Amino acid sequence: DVKVTQSSRYLVKRTGEKVFLECVQDMDHENMFWYRQDPGLGLRLIYFSYDVKMKEKGDIPEGYSVSREKKERFSLILESASTNQTSMYLCASSLDTGELFFGEGSRLTVL
Amino acid sequence: KNQVEQSPQSLIILEGKNCTLQCNYTVSPFSNLRWYKQDTGRGPVSLTIMTFSENTKSNGRYTATLDADTKQSSLHITASQLSDSASYICVVSAVYSSASKIIFGSGTRLSIRP
Repeated sequence: DVKVTQSSRYLVKRTGEKVFLECVQDMDHENMFWYRQDPGLGLRLIYFSYDVKMKEKGDIPEGYSVSREKKERFSLILESASTNQTSMYLCASSLDTGELFFGEGSRLTVL
Repeated sequence: KNQVEQSPQSLIILEGKNCTLQCNYTVSPFSNLRWYKQDTGRGPVSLTIMTFSENTKSNGRYTATLDADTKQSSLHITASQLSDSASYICVVSAVYSSASKIIFGSGTRLSIRP
């Protein structure tokens, strides 16, 4: 079975702090994605990557950056967290941009 | 504009009853449509995939339909169980010459009452 592991299920940070969200997949998928999920808005794409060291902006990249130094790992970085970044963050991977395999999610609260 | 609309937003039914969730989309060029189930506090998991030529697909008590002409899909749940309580998300993929795009609906929150 594909396993996508997100490093933290729950985080509480203060405004202005730097936040790292880590995601690791074990199925050698080329494609990895970061989404945020907010009530009533569905999943919105922040960034995605089709290969190591490659990244593409999604629909809402502002305030975020990503890093993909190894195929299995895709990190989401909030350089200076703000309260409007309080959300559920979901990492996903896929082999051919078909079925997405999601991690369990990281619920971030910014105070 | 590519959009996926789901209805109802939320639904409460009694255990053992059937229900149908709706998904309308305006995504083009259409590649496929998936239904995902998301348990509370967990990541979504794929239930079914529908391509252009398919109009019905079953996965246990879940049956998805697709009408590519009217751009509508439904997910029918038969003999509901408490474990069916979850959000159900309709996801449509569009494929362009050099890329693809995945568009999510905002989901239907289903609650099964004993």
